[in-house]
Amino acid sequence: SQQGEEDPQALSIQEGENATMNCSYKTSINNLQWYRQNSGRGLVHLILIRSNEREKHSGRLRVTLDTSKKSSSLLITASRAADTASYFCATVVNYGQNFVFGPGTRLSVLP
Amino acid sequence: DGGITQSPKYLFRKEGQNVTLSCEQNLNHDAMYWYRQDPGQGLRLIYYSQIVNDFQKGDIAEGYSVSREKKESFPLTVTSAQKNPTAFYLCASSNQGYDHSPLHFGNGTRLTVT
Repeated sequence: SQQGEEDPQALSIQEGENATMNCSYKTSINNLQWYRQNSGRGLVHLILIRSNEREKHSGRLRVTLDTSKKSSSLLITASRAADTASYFCATVVNYGQNFVFGPGTRLSVLP
Repeated sequence: DGGITQSPKYLFRKEGQNVTLSCEQNLNHDAMYWYRQDPGQGLRLIYYSQIVNDFQKGDIAEGYSVSREKKESFPLTVTSAQKNPTAFYLCASSNQGYDHSPLHFGNGTRLTVT
């Protein structure tokens, strides 16, 4: 069952601009995680935000979580061409027994 | 270096044949997972295992089978009963000793069945 939905499905920006991706989900969660996937490769974990946290930063990444709206956003600041990839949110229920992924946002950063 | 190794990277099979995808991890993780990814889509869970000799069906287990005889290994067999097996298959593991442990992924096996 697919619980997370990323928005937009695709995003194209110029290098140096900020990129914002959103994720909505349906049920209560333990935490929400964001992953990145380069074409033809596995997913790489970027950042995790717990259900009792509202905002988290890691380098150029900023994640917010609004549990009342069941939504999260991922902001990549000062984007680079190397940020071109698909980004997925995964909601975690039952303390890691079930990771549910959304369909992803395809980000293209143009040089 | 610790990580997850999936092999082979590309696999071609004729319709009607069973095929086994390999997944090995040296991260000492208890939990392992198999996901299927179709073009432009998210990941769908096939099977997961939280401990040796135990595994659970995911959302799309029909036509697939797994085994977990060793902590390090979680092979996936795509049987001839799987109606549309051509896809990208991803194996992952996590440390279930921690409540908020992320998934570590291999680099996938792309299976093409003709």
